[in-house]
Amino acid sequence: EVQLEESGGALVQPGGSLRLSCAASGFAFSNYHMHWVRQVTGKGLECVSTLRNTGDAYYSDSVKGRFTISRENAKNSLYLQMNSLRAGDTAVYYCVREAEKYSSSGGYSYYYYYMDVWGKGTTVTVSS
Amino acid sequence: DIQLTQSPSSLSASVGDRVTISCRASQSISRYLNWYQHKPGKAPKLLIYGASTLQSGVPSRFSGSESGTDFTLTISSLQPEDFATYYCQQGFQTPRTFGPGTKVDIK
Repeated sequence: EVQLEESGGALVQPGGSLRLSCAASGFAFSNYHMHWVRQVTGKGLECVSTLRNTGDAYYSDSVKGRFTISRENAKNSLYLQMNSLRAGDTAVYYCVREAEKYSSSGGYSYYYYYMDVWGKGTTVTVSS
Repeated sequence: DIQLTQSPSSLSASVGDRVTISCRASQSISRYLNWYQHKPGKAPKLLIYGASTLQSGVPSRFSGSESGTDFTLTISSLQPEDFATYYCQQGFQTPRTFGPGTKVDIK
């Protein structure tokens, strides 16, 4: 069964650090782009960081310079190191797999990218 | 970054109603638009990718369409389990971005 399981969420004081982990199983982890997506309570979904299977990393402006995404393919694991945490980082953090699918239609070729597998999420609370 | 807007932000509907949710991209994203359903306390669920392709296992009452930078999610006959928040998301460019969501609740 394809699964993602997050861990590491906790209550932390403003300015503190936390490391989230995501354990992947049931698929060839190293082949996939991976994301951390968060939802602040009462707000929408935000993709805070992406790590391509090539090793290229991307961050949203809201976390750039404070968060670092990494992966350990040998352990089928994804990580998010979060430093200088703020109250605004309080959220449920989801580990997400991105699928890639090739399709051709009407003479055109497409490579679709979509988030097909989500973990159950881990809660980060930043408060004094 | 590509901005996505959704309308309406919320709607009330009854079981059996036809529901339409719109998503507009700030620039051309071809067909690289996905739809997700999110219920409280659960992980978001992929419904549609590539603007109109139904993800495996998703009921056929869900459908998607596109016209330029405008995309539509339609639920043909709303069921009790469909009350949730729906998000569009673009897979055209990194960073991936989501629309602000449309909450569908019971009338």
